[in-house]
Amino acid sequence: EFVLTQSPGTLSLSPGERATLSCRASQSVNRNYLNWYQQKPGQAPRLLIYGTSSRATGIPDRFSGSGSGTDFTLTITRLEPDDFAVYFCQQFGSSQWTFGQGTKVEIK
Amino acid sequence: EVQLVESGGGLVHPGGSLRLSCAASGFSFTNYAMSWVRQAPGKGLEWVSSISDRGIITYYADFLKGRFTVSRDNSKNTLFLEMNSLRAEDTAVYYCAKVVPLEPRGAYFDNWGQGTLVTVSS
Repeated sequence: EFVLTQSPGTLSLSPGERATLSCRASQSVNRNYLNWYQQKPGQAPRLLIYGTSSRATGIPDRFSGSGSGTDFTLTITRLEPDDFAVYFCQQFGSSQWTFGQGTKVEIK
Repeated sequence: EVQLVESGGGLVHPGGSLRLSCAASGFSFTNYAMSWVRQAPGKGLEWVSSISDRGIITYYADFLKGRFTVSRDNSKNTLFLEMNSLRAEDTAVYYCAKVVPLEPRGAYFDNWGQGTLVTVSS
C-alpha cells in the first residue's frame, strides 16, 4: 500500500513568514505524478503544483514545489492572508491515486 | 470556462444505492480521463475511482471492494458513479475532477466540481 505522510499536521505562522510543507512517500514516486492542492473551508480543492514543481495557471510565484524519490516539499514564501488553508499532496502508483492527510496552515 | 457540476447526492439508508452524475462543459470531454474523489466531514481527500477518456480503462480504490462502478457517456459529456451497498463510512462530499496527462507518464487533476454530499444513515 502506497502511503503519503504530510508534516507537520498544522503549521502556525504569521503573514509574511515562510511555510515549508513536507510530503513523504512510502515508496519512490514518479515526479510527474506528484501534485499539490490547496483547499479552503467549504470549497473544492484547487490545483497548485503539478509534476513536483510546475505551478498551475494563475498560481503566484510565492508557491514552489521541489523534491524527488520519496521526499517532496511545498514552499510558500511570504505568506499572504489568502494562503491560510489546508494543503494536500497527491501521487499515482500501482494503479491507485493517493492523497496525503493534509497540512493546515493557520494564522498564528 | 471549464465547469464540472455534480448531482445525485442525498440521504440514503445503509445498504442502499445511489447514482452520482457529473456534467462537464467548457472542454472536450472525450479527450480527458476523469476521476471521483471524496471527502468525509472534517477529513482529508480520498480518491475513489478514475476512468479513461473513452471509458475503456477504469481504476478503483482498493477499499471499495467492487461496490462502486464508474462510467461515462461521452455523447452527453457526463461522468457517473454508481454506488451500491452503501455504508455509513461512505458519507462524504463526492467531487469529480478532470485528469490532465503530463508527459512522460504523469497526470494531475486540474479542475474540480463543487461536490455533492452523500449521507448514509438510518
